[in-house]
Amino acid sequence: QVQLVESGGALVRPGGSLRLSCAASGFTFSDYYMTWIRQAPGKGLEWVSYISSSSRTIYYADSVKGRFTISRDNAKNSLYLQMNSLRAEDTAVYYCARVHYYALEAWGQGTLVTVSS
Amino acid sequence: QSALTQPPSASGSPGQSVTISCTGTSSDVGGYNYVSWYQQHPGKAPKFMIYEVNKRPSGVPDRFSGSKSGNTASLTVSGLQAEDEADYYCSSYGGSNNLVFGGGTKLTVL
Repeated sequence: QVQLVESGGALVRPGGSLRLSCAASGFTFSDYYMTWIRQAPGKGLEWVSYISSSSRTIYYADSVKGRFTISRDNAKNSLYLQMNSLRAEDTAVYYCARVHYYALEAWGQGTLVTVSS
Repeated sequence: QSALTQPPSASGSPGQSVTISCTGTSSDVGGYNYVSWYQQHPGKAPKFMIYEVNKRPSGVPDRFSGSKSGNTASLTVSGLQAEDEADYYCSSYGGSNNLVFGGGTKLTVL
């Protein structure tokens, strides 16, 4: 079955960096667009970034543009999110999800990123 | 403030039907048939319930249905069951290569 497992969440100080990973299994990873979605504590869902199957197409939400970098390694069935210049408002659970025509078909369990001094 | 507007709460008794609205603009909900709905139980990841306005993925009960009229999409849950109590989020392609979400609706089964 489709499985997505995020890792890398941690407590980090403002201005710091963190790299999230998402390990995919149960499907042909290289066939799908993938995305990162986040959810601040007690808040709603926010789209962060998505990447095409070949990595040729990448888009970011304005709130993270210039600070976050999405990437993937199809040989390792893995998706990544490099987060730099972290701010308190980046505190959230970060989910990776498989995309099909702008629908998020499968989600991981999420990894918590806390930005605090 | 979320791009799409949902009521903060909705409720119904077991067996009843409840409809949750999701209002956007002609640039998102009204402009594309890429509206999706997600169910999220406390402490859990969202679950994919509806895509392309009114299509159900396999495994989702047919008690869940979606529709759209103009700039407003709706999710209807018929024959409410206790396990339907959860937060529900709508999303839509927002043009300019971005995805927009509603603020979420907490559904209570009375």
